[in-house]
Amino acid sequence: DAKTTQPNSMESNEEEPVHLPCNHSTISGTDYIHWYRQLPSQGPEYVIHGLTSNVNNRMASLAIAEDRKSSTLILHRATLRDAAVYYCILRPEYGNKLVFGAGTILRVKS
Amino acid sequence: DAGVIQSPRHEVTEMGQEVTLRCKPISGHNSLFWYRQTMMRGLELLIYFNNNVPIDDSGMPEDRFSAKMPNASFSTLKIQPSEPRDSAVYFCASSLGRQSLVSQYFGPGTRLLVL
Repeated sequence: DAKTTQPNSMESNEEEPVHLPCNHSTISGTDYIHWYRQLPSQGPEYVIHGLTSNVNNRMASLAIAEDRKSSTLILHRATLRDAAVYYCILRPEYGNKLVFGAGTILRVKS
Repeated sequence: DAGVIQSPRHEVTEMGQEVTLRCKPISGHNSLFWYRQTMMRGLELLIYFNNNVPIDDSGMPEDRFSAKMPNASFSTLKIQPSEPRDSAVYFCASSLGRQSLVSQYFGPGTRLLVL
């Protein structure tokens, strides 16, 4: 499985945008970039995914570098409820497995 | 939809006892996954099923662990005999389909403590 690298932790102020980076220099052409998050004492939940183009949904935006060796999850206005561990995961096109790394602990200050 | 249902939510047992964790996937989902989360090792995939058939059990730590999916709406993860190092949070997840475009839905987890 291709490896991702994320910062151990990040901090944000409430109501401000947050950019969570992920490096995946060994990504293959058919790997999708997935983001999950895990709120305290809960199971992980899906956030967003993409292949080459930037993606938006109601939770976040995903910006993918042109060479696909890195991506950024963007929370447009962080709230206290967004405090969680965010995981960046590469999944092969027909791969069913999620391989979780250590993720980024996001702390949101009021 | 009720989401993925796991029981029990908490389990405390003594070393050597048998432990059975249960999971009801989201109705209509045909893939089911068992994960384990510890502080030391993070989230690890133990085993997953597709259409009730085990596809990949390479993450099962040893023979003390076994998993079954007798039908599309129920799965069990059994540890026999349990050991203190099995203490962890065990998550069950389900999805519709196998491709990468499909997201997985996780249950609330079972927190297991083996004394």
